[in-house]
Amino acid sequence: KNQVEQSPQSLIILEGKNCTLQCNYTVSPFSNLRWYKQDTGRGPVSLTIMTFSENTKSNGRYTATLDADTKQSSLHITASQLSDSASYICVVSAYGNKLVFGAGTILRVKS
Amino acid sequence: NAGVTQTPKFQVLKTGQSMTLQCAQDMNHEYMSWYRQDPGMGLRLIHYSVGAGITDQGEVPNGYNVSRSTTEDFPLRLLSAAPSQTSVYFCASRRGPLEGNTIYFGEGSWLTVV
Repeated sequence: KNQVEQSPQSLIILEGKNCTLQCNYTVSPFSNLRWYKQDTGRGPVSLTIMTFSENTKSNGRYTATLDADTKQSSLHITASQLSDSASYICVVSAYGNKLVFGAGTILRVKS
Repeated sequence: NAGVTQTPKFQVLKTGQSMTLQCAQDMNHEYMSWYRQDPGMGLRLIHYSVGAGITDQGEVPNGYNVSRSTTEDFPLRLLSAAPSQTSVYFCASRRGPLEGNTIYFGEGSWLTVV
């Protein structure tokens, strides 16, 4: 069964600290993996897209990694800001236009 | 550049009522989709369209209808609202197949069925 599991479910960190969010998947055949940021009350916004051959991709303070062998991805946030408080969603695409969404990790950055 | 626009933002319905959630995109995207987001779960696909005049069912289509008469618009109709349809609904669009194409989401429509 195609599944995307994210951990932790929620996380609280202090402003300025780094954090790493995890995504494990069983989607097959794998096409690409995306990370989205969803602010409270808003729609998801794309952060990164990675294909099978890419193992790192950055977008400002956000760095995503992908290990296609172990079917794991992580999203690392550097020097967190209050505006990073959001839900972060991992989405895996299978060939054949199928998307599988994780339930998301809720991040709260405190001052 | 508006992107994907959804209306209404909030709606309360009584059980058995019908309504339409509107979705419009101004990016000339072929692919459009409707998702629902429930607490503790990933987004689930309701219906999708790969072009004007073409629609298909997603993972959770029961109780919903769609049509795609133009490239820009993709309305979602609730035929007879049920409390189980209380959810947040997102419309999304992209240019073409999933490989390499960014998916753009609307701001969401919060629906409560009482």
